[in-house]
Parts: sequence; C-alpha cells; structure tokens
Amino acid sequence: KNEVEQSPQNLTAQEGEFITINCSYSVGISALHWLQQHPGGGIVSLFMLSSGKKKHGRLIATINIQEKHSSLHITASHPRDSAVYICAVRSPSGGGADGLTFGKGTHLIIQP
Amino acid sequence: DAGVIQSPRHEVTEMGQEVTLRCKPISGHDYLFWYRQTMMRGLELLIYFNNNVPIDDSGMPEDRFSAKMPNASFSTLKIQPSEPRDSAVYFCASSLLRDSYNEQFFGPGTRLTVL
Repeated sequence: KNEVEQSPQNLTAQEGEFITINCSYSVGISALHWLQQHPGGGIVSLFMLSSGKKKHGRLIATINIQEKHSSLHITASHPRDSAVYICAVRSPSGGGADGLTFGKGTHLIIQP
Repeated sequence: DAGVIQSPRHEVTEMGQEVTLRCKPISGHDYLFWYRQTMMRGLELLIYFNNNVPIDDSGMPEDRFSAKMPNASFSTLKIQPSEPRDSAVYFCASSLLRDSYNEQFFGPGTRLTVL
C-alpha cells in the first residue's frame, strides 16, 4: 500500500507570501492529485498530474516521478486560500485500487 | 450539471440503527467511489464501482458495511448496525473513464454521527 506523507502539517503565513506544500509517496503511481478542502468541508480537485508541472492562476503543481515527490505552490497568497490541502495518489492500473490514497493534509492559514 | 449529489447531508442516529447514505454521480461518469473522513485517519477509500460493478471493497471496515450500485445514476452505502466509531464524513466521488487523466469529482459529503 502506498504511504503518502505531507509536510508541513500546519502552516500559517502572511498575505502575499509564497507558499510551498510538499508530498512524498512510497510506491510508483499513475497519477497524483492535489485537493482543496474548505472549512465547510467540501473537496475540490485542484490538479491531477502524472509528470512535469501544471499551473492554474496562482497555483502551481510539480511532480518528480523519480524522486516520488510533488509540491504545490501558491504565489501571492490570499486569506481566501486558507484551507486544508490534500495530496492523493492513484496506483498504476491493474495493480490494485483505482481509488485514491490520501495524505493527512496541510492546514494552511493566510493572515491578512 | 449539478455535480455529485449526496443525501442526507447530516445524519444523527443511535447505536444499533441502520444507516443508508445515498449518492448520485455526475451523469455519464462510469466510476463511483465511496470515501470516509475522520480526524484520526483522514480520508480513506471504502469501495469503488466501475460501470455499476464493485471492483475493490478491501477498504470496507467490516461486514456491517455494504454498498450497492443498482444503476448508473445511484449508489448506496449502508451501515447495519451502526456504532459510534462509524461517526465520520462520508464522501462520494465520480469520474469518467479509466485512464491516467481522469479526475474525481467529490460530493458535499454526509456527516454521520452515531450516538
């Protein structure tokens, strides 16, 4: 079973700061997801990637398959970015569940 | 599209009672997933379906839990009998196609409290 580790667990920063959240996993994957969970509890998929880098607005996600590591970056952070960010991985097809294995999440607070 | 729909949004029940959670996936999606979220364990996969067929239920905690998908637009997760340790938020998610680029869309979740 894949072990997914996220760091840091908690992060408090000032508005405008550059934020980095890290995710590492133990076994090869077919895809990695970054999810956002707001205080209301809803979960939104931010990115799904299997190689390289993706960018959406102020969010950037990168993955290094060889090192089994991914990072989520937030540029010009804003209080509305305050949420729990969850890394999740999907095992290669045919090798087991297509469902996701999740990290414990990073609780981000951006102060004005 | 309305997205993934779950009902009820909140459920409070007493230990020993049967609980049924419902999910309507996004129309056209062929994968459906049930997840559970607790403070202690975070998010965990319980079971998933492909084209209404259960593919992997290894995450189902025990025989008290069962899930069905009678058609492409409806799934249930049943707990009988319920126990206080089943208290959690249960999420349903759906996705389209089985490839490296399919994205899962989550429902709003059902918050279950077993007293």
